[in-house]
Formats: sequence, structure tokens, C-alpha cells
Amino acid sequence: SQKIEQNSEALNIQEGKTATLTCNYTNYSPAYLQWYRQDPGRGPVFLLLIRENEKEKRKERLKVTFDTTLKQSLFHITASQPADSATYLCALRSLSGGYNKLIFGAGTRLAVHP
Amino acid sequence: GAVVSQHPSRVICKSGTSVKIECRSLDFQATTMFWYRQFPKQSLMLMATSNEGSKATYEQGVEKDKFLINHASLTLSTLTVTSAHPEDSSFYICSARSQGTYNEQFFGPGTRLTVL
Repeated sequence: SQKIEQNSEALNIQEGKTATLTCNYTNYSPAYLQWYRQDPGRGPVFLLLIRENEKEKRKERLKVTFDTTLKQSLFHITASQPADSATYLCALRSLSGGYNKLIFGAGTRLAVHP
Repeated sequence: GAVVSQHPSRVICKSGTSVKIECRSLDFQATTMFWYRQFPKQSLMLMATSNEGSKATYEQGVEKDKFLINHASLTLSTLTVTSAHPEDSSFYICSARSQGTYNEQFFGPGTRLTVL
């Protein structure tokens, strides 16, 4: 069956360190993968998209890698700040029933401590 | 990025009543809208996909007669939870995609439904 797994339910790190979050998937062949941030009681906010032919994508302090052989994406936040504390969701595009749908992992909650 | 709004942000209702949630794209035309449901500490689960002017396509296990979706215009979709029960209590999130922005979906802020 198809699965999207994110590495842990909660990740605690010290301010200034790099946070690394993992997204693994099985039985998908996504053309691209997306990362979202979700704050409590809010909808997801788009952060980055990476295509299957891209190894790495950067945006300010964020970096995403995509390894289609390992079926894994890594999401890095460098020089992390307490304001980065949130849940980070990875999502894959799935084409099914003629529709292009976004399927989400359960998310990893990140807590950055001062 | 584009803005999607939802109304109401919170609703509490009695069991057996129906609740309507509105989703609007404020500065773009949404040819496709999606409705998700999220239970605490779980991922967003896609409920249905709708294209403007067409009937919604529901995911397996989602009752189309219970969750009525209307996408009558390019800027408005509604989700009606009919005869709501406590197990329908959840966080409902809509998302919109416009023609041409094939990759990016914009999400609303969500609606917290509590059925007593």
C-alpha cells in the first residue's frame, strides 16, 4: 500500500542548530514533492517544491533534498529560531482517478528552544 | 501567494444538525478545490476534489450524501456536513488551485467543527 512516513512526532533542538526532518514514501512515483508548515489550529502554508529531476532546492534558511532511489526527502532548517517551531508536513502529488491530488504525511513537530 | 479564506473559523452544533462551511479564493480563480479533514496529531486526509461546475469526486470511505460539496463558482466552494454527529468533529481545511498553477495549492485557515 502507499505510505508517506515522516521521521518522528516531535523533534527538539537548540536555537541556532540545524533541524533535519525526514520524509519517506513507498509505492509512489511522484513527479514532485512539497513541504508545508502548519501552525496549531491553522491551515498548511507552502514552503518548497522539489521535482524528481532536482537533487536539492534552497530558499533562504531552508533546504530540501529529494532522492528518488531511496524514496526519501530531507528538509533542513539552518540557524533555527524559536519562531520555526511548528509542524512540518511533506506532501506528494498523486495522479489517481484522473485527478491530481496532494497526499500528506502525518507531519513532524519541531520545537526550537532558546 | 494567493489567499484562501474559510468561514466560519469555529462552529459548535448539536448532533443531528447540518453545518455549512464556505471556502473562498480571494484573489484568484480556483478551477479546482479540495476539502481535507484533520484529526488531532494526524495528517490531512483528502475528502473530495471538485472542479467548478462539476460534481465532486469523493475519496474512498467518504460518504457523499453526508458531506455535500458545491463548487458553483470559480471563487466559492461549500462543504455541508449533514446530520452531524460527534464523530464528525474535526478540523476541516479547504484548498484551492487555479488553472495554470499546476503545482501549488493554497490552503485556507481551517474550520474547527465540534458536534455536541
